[in-house]
Amino acid sequence: GAGVSQSPSNKVTEKGKDVELRCDPISGHTALYWYRQSLGQGLEFLIYFQGNSAPDKSGLPSDRFSAERTGGSVSTLTIQRTQQEDSAVYLCASSLMGGTGHEQYFGPGTRLTVT
Amino acid sequence: EDQVTQSPEALRLQEGESSSLNCSYTVSGLRGLFWYRQDPGKGPEFLFTLYSAGEEKEKERLKATLTKKESFLHITAPKPEDSATYLCAVRGGSGGSNYKLTFGKGTLLTVNP
Repeated sequence: GAGVSQSPSNKVTEKGKDVELRCDPISGHTALYWYRQSLGQGLEFLIYFQGNSAPDKSGLPSDRFSAERTGGSVSTLTIQRTQQEDSAVYLCASSLMGGTGHEQYFGPGTRLTVT
Repeated sequence: EDQVTQSPEALRLQEGESSSLNCSYTVSGLRGLFWYRQDPGKGPEFLFTLYSAGEEKEKERLKATLTKKESFLHITAPKPEDSATYLCAVRGGSGGSNYKLTFGKGTLLTVNP
């Protein structure tokens, strides 16, 4: 079946502009995660959605970052007033449910470059 | 705070030359250790989950093992198509957040023909 999809695959933006990154999880998966992968660094957890529960936003690096998940499916990660340090690959993952026993399956990522 | 350290950072092998990758971890209440494979320009691809010390899992030329402090990914008679970055991650159970994965920086494996 279809895996996790993300769009756009690449985004180049000027410093100070806002960007929106989209994630379509695997159908039927109730848990959705965003991670960031910077050059030379491990994947960094950003935010977690599980069903209708309040999201865990503890990994968001600043208040310029926000995310929403509409209808329990598609999610959008928004970065306002982008900075050069925001340049990274943003990865979305989904799992059948959150928690133990459920593997996370990743999308191909969005490569964001802030000039 | 959960921590994952992978070694070596990079490994070059000749085709057929078996070796192992290491993942050392510190976690409060392990709720799973995960291995992923990541090809350039792609997202991580799930390989294995291990839950308890002594557990082993195999897939083709790969075998993952787990102790209380580390995990090994053994690669037997590798082929050039095994070239990729291998990522290790842990899921801990502290603070009710038993869904976050903490990743290591990965091992870049290159297998020469």
